[in-house]
Amino acid sequence: EAAVTQSPRNKVTVTGGNVTLSCRQTNSHNYMYWYRQDTGHGLRLIHYSYGAGNLQIGDVPDGYKATRTTQEDFFLLLELASPSQTSLYFCASSDGTGNSDYTFGSGTRLLVI
Amino acid sequence: GDSVTQMQGQVTLSEDDFLFINCTYSTTWYPTLFWYVQYPGEGPQLLLKVTTANNKGISRGFEATYDKRTTSFHLQKASVQESDSAVYYCVLGERTNTGKLTFGDGTVLTVKP
Repeated sequence: EAAVTQSPRNKVTVTGGNVTLSCRQTNSHNYMYWYRQDTGHGLRLIHYSYGAGNLQIGDVPDGYKATRTTQEDFFLLLELASPSQTSLYFCASSDGTGNSDYTFGSGTRLLVI
Repeated sequence: GDSVTQMQGQVTLSEDDFLFINCTYSTTWYPTLFWYVQYPGEGPQLLLKVTTANNKGISRGFEATYDKRTTSFHLQKASVQESDSAVYYCVLGERTNTGKLTFGDGTVLTVKP
């Protein structure tokens, strides 16, 4: 079954720490996305990619890097984590046509203390 | 830029009540409009979408009409069940080759038995 799998499910790190969130999709989709979800803000787009080696900036990119190593794998990197990055992070994939819907992962809950 | 407004942060109903969640949007494009639903511990999943103005989308008893004149996409259901308790997002999709989605802030629906 086509899916989007995120790991880890939960992560705790200290301020200034280095964190990598992983996402793998088996949908054969070209596009992958990283969103953060915060109470009162819905989902906000951090970065997205339309293929291996490609990276596009989203709406709230500050403090985040991302890398798309293969069509299946998309990573979100926090190199100097701050408490403001405490959030629920979702990865998603789509075929990018604009009419297509997304398949979301189950999320990674990150706590920066 | 594109935006989606959901004025109702929380809605509490009893089983068999009528559901109405307000959604308006703003964009310079001709978007695709979606409703996503998110259950606890899961990522958002597609509930319904409408690609053409003045058309109605229907799924699982929910319906929404893409009204270009009033730039609205309200969600309705005639008779809610406790299992409908979830967060509902009104979403605008770009008809470009990015497939970017813009989410509203979400409406938390609680249905009491």
